[in-house]
Amino acid sequence: DVKVTQSSRYLVKRTGEKVFLECVQDMDHENMFWYRQDPGLGLRLIYFSYDVKMKEKGDIPEGYSVSREKKERFSLILESASTNQTSMYLCASSPRPGQGYEQYFGPGTRLTVT
Amino acid sequence: AQSVTQPDIHITVSEGASLELRCNYSYGATPYLFWYVQSPGQGLQLLLKYFSGDTLVQGIKGFEAEFKRSQSSFNLRKPSVHWSDAAEYFCAVGAMEYGNKLVFGAGTILRVKS
Repeated sequence: DVKVTQSSRYLVKRTGEKVFLECVQDMDHENMFWYRQDPGLGLRLIYFSYDVKMKEKGDIPEGYSVSREKKERFSLILESASTNQTSMYLCASSPRPGQGYEQYFGPGTRLTVT
Repeated sequence: AQSVTQPDIHITVSEGASLELRCNYSYGATPYLFWYVQSPGQGLQLLLKYFSGDTLVQGIKGFEAEFKRSQSSFNLRKPSVHWSDAAEYFCAVGAMEYGNKLVFGAGTILRVKS
């Protein structure tokens, strides 16, 4: 079974803090994704990575950055957290195209910025 | 660009009744289609997927979905709903030319009444 883990289930941070969300997958997947989920808006793609040190912006990258130094780990960074970044953050991974297109999700991190 | 519409934000069904959740997509070629389920506070779990071939696909937990190209639809069905099916359901679409990126619908919240 694919396992995707996220470092925290719940996180409370103050406005202006630098926030790191960590994601690890154990299936040797090439692709990893960060989404945020808000009621009524579904999942929106923040960033994705198709290889180590490779990244591409998704639909809502503003205010976020990412890091992928190892294949199994993909980090989402909020350089200066703001209250409008309060949300559920979901990490996912998938194999390279041709080996499958489905994504496997972690349990999510609910971030509150006060 | 791909898009996914789930017309129903909330659906309430009685336990034991049949269920159909609607999903319409917008894409020119043959898409890859997925249904995911999310229990409260959890990540997304893959229910079923369609890539090609038989347009009626079976998934986990007794769910099935039918791809209808002429209607651009991929509706999810279950003949008899259980109280444990109460959750949020997401339809997603992908395509080979988009790599492993998926576009998600806004979700449908299913309530089951006893």
